[in-house]
Amino acid sequence: GIQVEQSPPDLILQEGANSTLRCNFSDSVNNLQWFHQNPWGQLINLFYIPSGTKQNGRLSATTVATERYSLLYISSSQTTDSGVYFCAPTFMNYGGSQGNLIFGKGTKLSVKP
Amino acid sequence: DTAVSQTPKYLVTQMGNDKSIKCEQNLGHDTMYWYKQDSKKFLKIMFSYNNKELIINETVPNRFSPKSPDKAHLNLHINSLELGDSAVYFCASSQWARETQYFGPGTRLLVL
Repeated sequence: GIQVEQSPPDLILQEGANSTLRCNFSDSVNNLQWFHQNPWGQLINLFYIPSGTKQNGRLSATTVATERYSLLYISSSQTTDSGVYFCAPTFMNYGGSQGNLIFGKGTKLSVKP
Repeated sequence: DTAVSQTPKYLVTQMGNDKSIKCEQNLGHDTMYWYKQDSKKFLKIMFSYNNKELIINETVPNRFSPKSPDKAHLNLHINSLELGDSAVYFCASSQWARETQYFGPGTRLLVL
């Protein structure tokens, strides 16, 4: 079956450090989104990135669809970056035409001051 | 203005009751969704809906039913609530089915 695997599951950083979060997926995708769920539970859309590289401030993301992975880079981390980061692709052969996001289990990030 | 809103934010109810969660989007999007986040933070699609088609995830019990009075609203009705229905329910919308999805703030449901 289809799988979305995120690593690492947990990550503790000192403020100012950089990090890379990885998302591997098992099949061809229509699109892929990265979300940040903050400690209050709100899901914030970070990137819509079915392929290529995008940057938004201290965050950037790269998806290599042919190799079935995506990366999220966080530079100069801040305490407000804490929370859970989810990768969520839609799969061409599993509801992709309907936009059904399939979420990974997330990476829980804690940034210490 | 909140792009995707849900009411209520919290819902505490007894087993066996019937309840509804409302969702509204003011983005002019064509497609809306419901997701469930369980106690382990795992998010799973329940429904996707546009004005033409409702797609139901096969694992969703038929006690759950989405109802769309118009393009801007997709409400979730739950009959005969069970303890296992306790979760956070998120509504989302997108312009087209494959485009960026924007999520509401979530509704935390607790069934006692």
